[in-house]
Amino acid sequence: DSGVTQTPKHLITATGQRVTLRCSPRSGDLSVYWYQQSLDQGLQFLIQYYNGEERAKGNILERFSAQQFPDLHSELNLSSLELGDSALYFCASSPSPKTLNYGYTFGSGTRLTVV
Amino acid sequence: EDQVTQSPEALRLQEGESSSLNCSYTVSGLRGLFWYRQDPGKGPEFLFTLYSAGEEKEKERLKATLTKKESFLHITAPKPEDSATYLCAVQPSGGSYIPTFGRGTSLIVHP
Repeated sequence: DSGVTQTPKHLITATGQRVTLRCSPRSGDLSVYWYQQSLDQGLQFLIQYYNGEERAKGNILERFSAQQFPDLHSELNLSSLELGDSALYFCASSPSPKTLNYGYTFGSGTRLTVV
Repeated sequence: EDQVTQSPEALRLQEGESSSLNCSYTVSGLRGLFWYRQDPGKGPEFLFTLYSAGEEKEKERLKATLTKKESFLHITAPKPEDSATYLCAVQPSGGSYIPTFGRGTSLIVHP
């Protein structure tokens, strides 16, 4: 157990639907990151939050949004889902955005299948 | 734009057959280079952080080295349990500090 908890582990939904992925960071970590991993794209950075505020955006579609709550857990909302959104979605956390002596701690991911 | 290229894409070894994985990078100022191990269907697991050229770090059968343009992950006398995908990532020294990941090297070690 890495200390980063992601739910659900698997999600199957239809095109056009909306889903929410949840992440609880490792205890003490203030920074949360969302990544998408597909076979043809590798690990792609989506968005980062630090202590409740958005800090950085990567290749995140407008149909996707995220937030970090006061208890530091984060949610990634994916809407108007398309077949191409099928992927593994990872959450990672770190104590701060800048100092990564021990890199990120990743969760075990949510496998999203859009049918 | 920061870039990370890992080679080979896939590597098959016999148990005990040592080899190296390569990570070539371009970054506007390197703050750190990371190696991760990822097992199928699981999240990446942190292995090493390297900060400057000439630095080396070891963990069991793995040794990571860093130059100004690339990093190597040397695997000595690998075992089947070393089979995994190994990811390299570089963190820039400015901007958002968000690391860029390579596509990884898939390693299979046959008994």
